[in-house]
Amino acid sequence: SQKIEQNSEALNIQEGKTATLTCNYTNYSPAYLQWYRQDPGRGPVFLLLIRENEKEKRKERLKVTFDTTLKQSLFHITASQPADSATYLCALVTKAAGNKLTFGGGTRVLVKP
Amino acid sequence: GAGVSQSPSNKVTEKGKDVELRCDPISGHTALYWYRQSLGQGLEFLIYFQGNSAPDKSGLPSDRFSAERTGGSVSTLTIQRTQQEDSAVYLCASSPETGFNEQYFGPGTRLTVT
Repeated sequence: SQKIEQNSEALNIQEGKTATLTCNYTNYSPAYLQWYRQDPGRGPVFLLLIRENEKEKRKERLKVTFDTTLKQSLFHITASQPADSATYLCALVTKAAGNKLTFGGGTRVLVKP
Repeated sequence: GAGVSQSPSNKVTEKGKDVELRCDPISGHTALYWYRQSLGQGLEFLIYFQGNSAPDKSGLPSDRFSAERTGGSVSTLTIQRTQQEDSAVYLCASSPETGFNEQYFGPGTRLTVT
């Protein structure tokens, strides 16, 4: 069966350190993968998109990698700040599914000062 | 500019009643999506509208759920004969076009069925 898995346990990290989140998928052939941030009581906010033929994408303190052999994407927040505390969701789109996003369950990140 | 808006922000209803949830997408966005998010869970796709094409309803959980998009803009998600398991946050998102574009989400409607 198709699955997208993110670590359901919260990630507690000290301010200034790098937070690394994992998104693993099975039985998908994604055309591209997106990462979103969601704060409590709010809708998700788009952060980064990476295509199947891209290995790495960066945006300010954020970095995403995409390994289609391992079927895994890693999301890094460098020099983390308390304001980075939120839930981070990965979502993928397959060519077969058209433009529908399929989301993982999200990982909550708590950055402690 | 204005983002995606949804109304109401909260809705409490009795089991068996019908509810309507509204979504106003960003002006000019041709794609509109509805998702459902249960407590502590990821987003579950419900339905997708793209321009004048027939909507993709493959995510609707039962025939009690339906959605319309009038004039290519505002959308209404209707849940008939609500059940307690329908309690969740219903999120709407719009996108400027199909393909590799990010989705812009509204704040959601929290539905509680008592």
